[in-house]
Amino acid sequence: AQTVTQSQPEMSVQEAETVTLSCTYDTSENNYYLFWYKQPPSRQMILVIRQEAYKQQNATENRFSVNFQKAAKSFSLKISDSQLGDTAMYFCAFMKYGGATNKLIFGTGTLLAVQP
Amino acid sequence: GAGVSQSPSNKVTEKGKDVELRCDPISGHTALYWYRQSLGQGLEFLIYFQGNSAPDKSGLPSDRFSAERTGGSVSTLTIQRTQQEDSAVYLCASSLVLGEHTEAFFGQGTRLTVV
Repeated sequence: AQTVTQSQPEMSVQEAETVTLSCTYDTSENNYYLFWYKQPPSRQMILVIRQEAYKQQNATENRFSVNFQKAAKSFSLKISDSQLGDTAMYFCAFMKYGGATNKLIFGTGTLLAVQP
Repeated sequence: GAGVSQSPSNKVTEKGKDVELRCDPISGHTALYWYRQSLGQGLEFLIYFQGNSAPDKSGLPSDRFSAERTGGSVSTLTIQRTQQEDSAVYLCASSLVLGEHTEAFFGQGTRLTVV
């Protein structure tokens, strides 16, 4: 079975600074996707960034980028130029590609507070 | 509607009562997920529907939990004989089959409080 681990329950960063959230996962699969979701206080889950396991190049979306280390099964999220609106719970998620089920498996989350 | 809609947004029920939570997915989305989020916890997978395939029920915590998806669209999650430990936010998501150019869209959840 696949598992996703986020070892940082809470983090804090000053506005305009850079912060990195950690995520590791365990799987024997070779084809999968990894995701970072953001959940602000409104409870609305929002996709931040996605990485396909077969791609060596790290995904980037504006101020958000990932460091994907497939051999180490690590998938960290870097937020540059942090903004107050980045304050939220961040979840790392795994999905096996193909097969009978495509369920998303989530980590326990990291609560990020951006300080003014 | 444009997004995933869940109702009610909040539900308070007495221990032992049955509750039904509703999810209206985005039109045309073949996949539908239910998750449970307890306070300070991650998202716990409950059940997954994909088209006409048999649902993946592997995450349902007990036989008090059941879900159905009628006509490949609306889904209802039913909790029978509710217990206090069932108190949580129940999130629904829908997607086309997840892949390179798709993503799961989430509703805003139903906060269930069992008193």
